[in-house]
Amino acid sequence: GESVGLHLPTLSVQEGDNSIINCAYSNSASDYFIWYKQESGKGPQFIIDIRSNMDKRQGQRVTVLLNKTVKHLSLQIAATQPGDSAVYFCADLRDNYGQNFVFGPGTRLSVLP
Amino acid sequence: DADVTQTPRNRITKTGKRIMLECSQTKGHDRMYWYRQDPGLGLQLIYYSFDVKDINKGEISDGYSVSRQAQAKFSLSLESAIPNQTALYFCATSDSSTDTQYFGPGTRLTVL
Repeated sequence: GESVGLHLPTLSVQEGDNSIINCAYSNSASDYFIWYKQESGKGPQFIIDIRSNMDKRQGQRVTVLLNKTVKHLSLQIAATQPGDSAVYFCADLRDNYGQNFVFGPGTRLSVLP
Repeated sequence: DADVTQTPRNRITKTGKRIMLECSQTKGHDRMYWYRQDPGLGLQLIYYSFDVKDINKGEISDGYSVSRQAQAKFSLSLESAIPNQTALYFCATSDSSTDTQYFGPGTRLTVL
């Protein structure tokens, strides 16, 4: 993921709507990507992952899309619920430090009633 | 994740003090990591360990040291804390057969 500075992007959606959170990565050699959810006061929680040999992967209410041409990753959350409110960030695996991840700064998702 | 615990959860200390943050895991993973998180920035890797005898510096290791006392325990030390080390610190673990990292609840450290 790329750093976008000190202010987290924010996405506000109505409860029940779909959410799309985007992430850009810079290393064309990255071959594994993870989306994490971080609720206030908690550590990051694994949501879904995708390998570079795939374009799309679906989980329960979540879908990750990978566009390697433009080095872009997105997380789609269907029927967004209040419990989805959190910071979401992507991480890409590169081997600069021996098979370790680089994390983006995240997007804050707020679900409106 | 209750399988990865960190102590303390919160700590306030003064400049120049030595601080140790501890991480324990019951997941049986061989790999452990220490990250710091600053507001508006992504997690930054401080140190990582692929097994008990393997310790590696991450991208921001200056001012920090670590000890892998056992497969399940990985501690992070700040030998002489300074205010710009005020941050959230996370421990993570992973198994060598997968790349997914599992995080602890974090330690909020404030250096005055």
